[in-house]
Amino acid sequence: GAGVSQSPSNKVTEKGKDVELRCDPISGHTALYWYRQSLGQGLEFLIYFQGNSAPDKSGLPSDRFSAERTGGSVSTLTIQRTQQEDSAVYLCASSGVQARKLFFGSGTQLSVL
Amino acid sequence: AQSVSQHNHHVILSEAASLELGCNYSYGGTVNLFWYVQYPGQHLQLLLKYFSGDPLVKGIKGFEAEFIKSKFSFNLRKPSVQWSDTAEYFCAGRISSGSARQLTFGSGTQLTVLP
Repeated sequence: GAGVSQSPSNKVTEKGKDVELRCDPISGHTALYWYRQSLGQGLEFLIYFQGNSAPDKSGLPSDRFSAERTGGSVSTLTIQRTQQEDSAVYLCASSGVQARKLFFGSGTQLSVL
Repeated sequence: AQSVSQHNHHVILSEAASLELGCNYSYGGTVNLFWYVQYPGQHLQLLLKYFSGDPLVKGIKGFEAEFIKSKFSFNLRKPSVQWSDTAEYFCAGRISSGSARQLTFGSGTQLTVLP
């Protein structure tokens, strides 16, 4: 597609349930990033994929968070046993070979009740 | 540690007023600086960026920013705002030799322009 696509746009879940968030990056972009934007805070880096290299998971806040990128394209961010503090907008971004400019999706608003 | 600070959390202006949003960074070396904008219901978009050269950078929609190294600042300006400028504005920065994952964002400034 023309831009980074994320789904769902909104997700409401109950505490303790698992959720999956999807990101379709721009075709041909080798780098894919997940960020989180909590209320009143700046963007927080979560995880970074670059080509076939091992992902940089240094930003994941706990072992309940995991992410995969299949075939070097689509990525899924999974949050297990969700907690209320997981409520945030989860943003995906992709960039080309030189990783100089990020293109962001519209985000998934996650609300944990 | 690298950090980017935006001191204005919420700015409310009337149409035609002039705008200046503050951004300060703390880095030891050469920096790349960015302003991103997020309009209601839309994804983040790049407004303008500074890599090197002329410290006065012009971006889309009449926005500009000035890199002042001595003040560690990269303030965003627009001489006359419009109602359509209502959005969240994020300043971001990184060490110039770093890849995008080292990009650090400020906490954002919500701009509300009253018609």
